[in-house]
Amino acid sequence: GAGVSQSPSNKVTEKGKDVELRCDPISGHTALYWYRQRLGQGLEFLIYFQGNSAPDKSGLPSDRFSAERTGESVSTLTIQRTQQEDSAVYLCASSRSQLGFSLGEAFFGQGTRLTVV
Amino acid sequence: TQLLEQSPQFLSIQEGENLTVYCNSSSVFSSLQWYRQEPGEGPVLLVTVVTGGEVKKLKRLTFQFGDARKDSSLHITAAQPGDTGLYLCAGARSNDYKLSFGAGTTVTVRA
Repeated sequence: GAGVSQSPSNKVTEKGKDVELRCDPISGHTALYWYRQRLGQGLEFLIYFQGNSAPDKSGLPSDRFSAERTGESVSTLTIQRTQQEDSAVYLCASSRSQLGFSLGEAFFGQGTRLTVV
Repeated sequence: TQLLEQSPQFLSIQEGENLTVYCNSSSVFSSLQWYRQEPGEGPVLLVTVVTGGEVKKLKRLTFQFGDARKDSSLHITAAQPGDTGLYLCAGARSNDYKLSFGAGTTVTVRA
């Protein structure tokens, strides 16, 4: 596609349930990033993929969070046993190289707004 | 604790007025970027500044990178309702693949 696509756009889930958030990066972009945006706070880095491997998972807040990427394309962020504090907008971005953000060549998707009730 | 502090947090002005948003840090960055985000959308890059003291102009928007590469400002001249949005600054360190973001400034321009 022309841009980074995320689905669903909105997700309301009950506390304790698992959720999966999907990101389709721009075709040919080998670098993929997940960020979290909580109300009134800046974007928090979660995880970075280069190809199918994740050299940096340091931003994942707990072991309830995991992410995978297959075929150097689609990535899925999974949150198990969701808590109310997980409510946020989850943003995905992709770039051609790992210096994409530094070079201003990374692009964000529209985000998934997750609400845990 | 935010690595980048933005001020003010909220700004509401009348169409035609000028505004300035500030982004400050105690850390040095190799580049600093400004994004604008509208409701339901992801952040969209406005500009990247890489040289200390650099000033970039984009129509009515003027971006400045501090000499020490620790701070930046965004100035909008004659603001219009279309400038309404969340403005985010973000810093990158040399050869780093991720950005550190400020909490953002919500700008509302009233017609």
